[in-house]
Amino acid sequence: EAEVAQSPRYKITEKSQAVAFWCDPISGHATLYWYRQILGQGPELLVQFQDESVVDDSQLPKDRFSAERLKGVDSTLKIQPAELGDSAMYLCASSLGTSSGEQFFGPGTRLTVL
Amino acid sequence: GQQLNQSPQSMFIQEGEDVSMNCTSSSIFNTWLWYKQDPGEGPVLLIALYKAGELTSNGRLTAQFGITRKDSFLNISASIPSDVGIYFCAGKPYNTDKLIFGTGTRLQVFP
Repeated sequence: EAEVAQSPRYKITEKSQAVAFWCDPISGHATLYWYRQILGQGPELLVQFQDESVVDDSQLPKDRFSAERLKGVDSTLKIQPAELGDSAMYLCASSLGTSSGEQFFGPGTRLTVL
Repeated sequence: GQQLNQSPQSMFIQEGEDVSMNCTSSSIFNTWLWYKQDPGEGPVLLIALYKAGELTSNGRLTAQFGITRKDSFLNISASIPSDVGIYFCAGKPYNTDKLIFGTGTRLQVFP
């Protein structure tokens, strides 16, 4: 079944620690997105990949966040060091990259920073 | 970041009732999408709209792409308890594949 996989589903960490999230997009989807969703709000884009290249990371806090998609398939999002304000749902989505705009989301990783 | 205006913010309805919600933008889009999100899960795509004035159905759900290209509407007929969740609209501007999401409509259905 074609689904976006994410792990872990939940992560609790203390501030100043490093955390990493993994995403495996739907097979054949060239475009991969990482979003952050604060409780009660819609998802907001952090970074967009086309194959292994970053297309847009204008909203990624680059002093502490990094993302990579080395072989153009799965991707990792890292936060180091984590801050209290980073507590949120981190969602990965993928698309074929055509003009349709349809993006398919994974189940997300709920991050709590203590 | 930019978010689209969705209304109502929340709805509390009885099972069997019909539901209407809408999404508005200050700029035009060439695609409108509607997603449903259950607690603790990622959004699930419900309906995609590609042309101004387009009306598309998916079971009990019907969505419309506004003729101004600045709004979209979602209707749910004969609501059931599993319709509970948060509904998000998302618009795609021209010449980009980025999505801009709405603020969400939280739906509660009482038996």
